[in-house]
Amino acid sequence: NAGVTQTPKFQVLKTGQSMTLQCAQDMNHNSMYWYRQDPGMGLRLIYYSASEGTTDKGEVPNGYNVSRLNKREFSLRLESAAPSQTSVYFCASSGLRRQEQYFGPGTRLTVT
Amino acid sequence: RKEVEQDPGPFNVPEGATVAFNCTYSNSASQSFFWYRQDCRKEPKLLMSVYSSGNEDGRFTAQLNRASQYISLLIRDSKLSDSATYLCVVNNNDMRFGAGTRLTVKP
Repeated sequence: NAGVTQTPKFQVLKTGQSMTLQCAQDMNHNSMYWYRQDPGMGLRLIYYSASEGTTDKGEVPNGYNVSRLNKREFSLRLESAAPSQTSVYFCASSGLRRQEQYFGPGTRLTVT
Repeated sequence: RKEVEQDPGPFNVPEGATVAFNCTYSNSASQSFFWYRQDCRKEPKLLMSVYSSGNEDGRFTAQLNRASQYISLLIRDSKLSDSATYLCVVNNNDMRFGAGTRLTVKP
């Protein structure tokens, strides 16, 4: 099992460009999450999906959209990237024990 | 005030030492508590849950003090491989992560 996979691993964007971060899990988990991690701050929840077909805002959703494509895949879209979105983005999933989250390797995004 | 606060460290300890980290949380209605470990430039991984009665997993002991709203992690007989950042996580509908405490264990 690969667990949680994310693509790309690294990305550099110019201000105003758009991109989609991809996430997939093969653990048959219902819940999936997108976080961002910035220096000196804890991981902050951007959006989550408790089950296929549902999505909800987290702590810092502004500037982002998500799609729960199916049970395996949960993508994060930046429509118009801003330098404040420079961060490391982690996708995670969890099963019945929702607090036990399994994370992907992260995407390091720089917006110039 | 941050919802979850941790001393960022770094804690530099020799192999074999005992080291303890504390974490305070602001929401008294928080329901469950965890410690995650994050290696440099890697993803966080669940280390252990924290139960009201305290719990132990090998060299690691976690404790919860609801009255004072803090949780602790004790590592005994530190190994070089324990070097990492330890994240305190508090769950109250959403998971709230502390910024982490960095530990370096030296030979």
